[in-house]
Formats: sequence, C-alpha cells, structure tokens
Amino acid sequence: NAGVTQTPKFQVLKTGQSMTLQCAQDMNHNSMYWYRQDPGMGLRLIYYSASEGTTDKGEVPNGYNVSRLNKREFSLRLESAAPSQTSVYFCASSQNRGGIDEQFFGPGTRLTVL
Amino acid sequence: AQSVTQLDSQVPVFEEAPVELRCNYSSSVSVYLFWYVQYPNQGLQLLLKYLSGSTLVKGINGFEAEFNKSQTSFHLRKPSVHISDTAEYFCAVRSESTDYKLSFGAGTTVTVRA
Repeated sequence: NAGVTQTPKFQVLKTGQSMTLQCAQDMNHNSMYWYRQDPGMGLRLIYYSASEGTTDKGEVPNGYNVSRLNKREFSLRLESAAPSQTSVYFCASSQNRGGIDEQFFGPGTRLTVL
Repeated sequence: AQSVTQLDSQVPVFEEAPVELRCNYSSSVSVYLFWYVQYPNQGLQLLLKYLSGSTLVKGINGFEAEFNKSQTSFHLRKPSVHISDTAEYFCAVRSESTDYKLSFGAGTTVTVRA
C-alpha cells in the first residue's frame, strides 16, 4: 500500500515549457487535490476533484489544468510555465467529498522555472 | 470566508522542554480544525483533529491541542519535545459551509536543539 505517489520528485523547466505532474493513490479514495506550497504562505489549493470525471477550481487555478483520468489518478498540467510557478506541489486524497475525513498527502514535486 | 493565522513562524526549543504552537482562525460558521506536521523533504501528515465533543484533543507522538471557541483558537502543545520533533507544523480549518476546502496557516517551523 503506497498511499499517494507523485512523479517526478524534482523538475527544472524554462519559461514557456510545459509539463504534467502525475499523482496516483491506491486507497480507493473519491476525492483528490492539488496544492502548491510557497514559503510563508502555507498550502494553497489549486484544483480538486470530488469524484472521477469532475474537477473544480481552488484558490489559485490560473496557469494550471487538471485531469482526473480515473479514480486513482489526478494529473496537473502547466501549459506554459512561468517563474511564478516555482513551488513545491503536493497531491492529496481523501475518502469522501468534503466532510470530516483526513487528507493523505504525497511526498511532493519540487519545481523550478527559470 | 475562513482564514487561519499561526502566530509564530519559528519556534526554537531545547530537547525535553515543552512547546506550544499558536493558531487562531476566523470563520462565520462552525469549523473543523486540524494540525498537520511536515518533516524535512516529506509530505504532510495528520497530527490530530477536532471535529466535535471534548475540546482537548490528543494526537500522535504525544501532541495535544485545545479548541477554544470563545477565543477562536486551536493551540498545539507537547510537554516534552525530542530532536525528532524538528519539523514544520501547519494549522488548518475546514468549515461546514465549504466541506471540501482546507485553509492552511503559513506554518510554524520548530527546531529542537540538544
């Protein structure tokens, strides 16, 4: 039982390049989330998916797109990377949409945009 | 709307000394409160949560927190810290009106010294 896995662990991009961050969970959770973590700002929600086939914007969605490929996988795409997107990205999952359940986090992807 | 304020960005503490991390929230409705811990180069892990009932909540690794509705606070405490408690700690709040959305504080870095 690996929990939440993310690939890659590290990535360096040039401004304007695109890339996709991958996330998968093996806990049969319904909800999945993408956050970014910046120094002194905690975690901010980019997008979330309450169930397979649905996605919704979070607090900071601009410059990102997501795909809930199936129940296990939730990817985050940067179409044209900008230096402001340099951050650590975390994927998380939880059993139900909302409620009081715990979110489980992946180990993170450290992205640098030059 | 809801927001979370962690009053200390850095807390240095000696091994075996007590520690308290302060968290205040603002919300117009009832809330669920969480403390997460992030060890160096890892994802976030749930320490404890307050959902309802007793205002004193016990978590993993000897941590506890007290919910104070009148002061809108959820401070985290440990009576005796270890070197291994060196980490970043995040307070988070979820309100009944936005059941899927966690709002995180900026984080408190705890450094335990021998």
